[in-house]
Amino acid sequence: KAGVTQTPRYLIKTRGQQVTLSCSPISGHRSVSWYQQTPGQGLQFLFEYFSETQRNKGNFPGRFSGRQFSNSRSEMNVSTLELGDSALYLCASSLERLAGDEQFFGPGTRLTVL
Amino acid sequence: GIQVEQSPPDLILQEGANSTLRCNFSDSVNNLQWFHQNPWGQLINLFYIPSGTKQNGRLSATTVATERYSLLYISSSQTTDSGVYFCASTQGGKLIFGQGTELSVKP
Repeated sequence: KAGVTQTPRYLIKTRGQQVTLSCSPISGHRSVSWYQQTPGQGLQFLFEYFSETQRNKGNFPGRFSGRQFSNSRSEMNVSTLELGDSALYLCASSLERLAGDEQFFGPGTRLTVL
Repeated sequence: GIQVEQSPPDLILQEGANSTLRCNFSDSVNNLQWFHQNPWGQLINLFYIPSGTKQNGRLSATTVATERYSLLYISSSQTTDSGVYFCASTQGGKLIFGQGTELSVKP
């Protein structure tokens, strides 16, 4: 069974631009969650989607948004990029819910904001 | 929210040595997982261990949920074990990570 895939793997943007990252979960997994990893803050939860609905949200500004499609694939969008948004963005999938199931992570998208 | 404290923050070992990594939680432990982050950034699942003990080759993990901690044992360490180890627990519908233990295994 294929693992979680994320595209693109690397991205360079400039301040003020927006970016869209994509995540395809393991086949049969319906929950997708997103995380930001920075050297200063570590791994932080962004949000979780299940059945095309956002189920939980972390402590991030509204510039960070996401969505999930009927095939469980998910995208996250960051608008008006800031230098501090440079980070590794990881997504994870699980069978039904983040709160009760094992999480499996993708390889990540490394975003650099110049 | 829950605080996750991992110790030690850094660890240097000689190949073949054993080690124990620890995770302490400020609140109840739920759905605890251990991960190894490889040099390219991907989090590799090591254990899903809400409670009890599991073993996988040279690695084993124990979670004592009632005492709010988990341990990861690495025996006969190899250079390929190098990297950052994270524990994580769910709370309030979110997966909360520790700050990680950076392990370096020298040949």
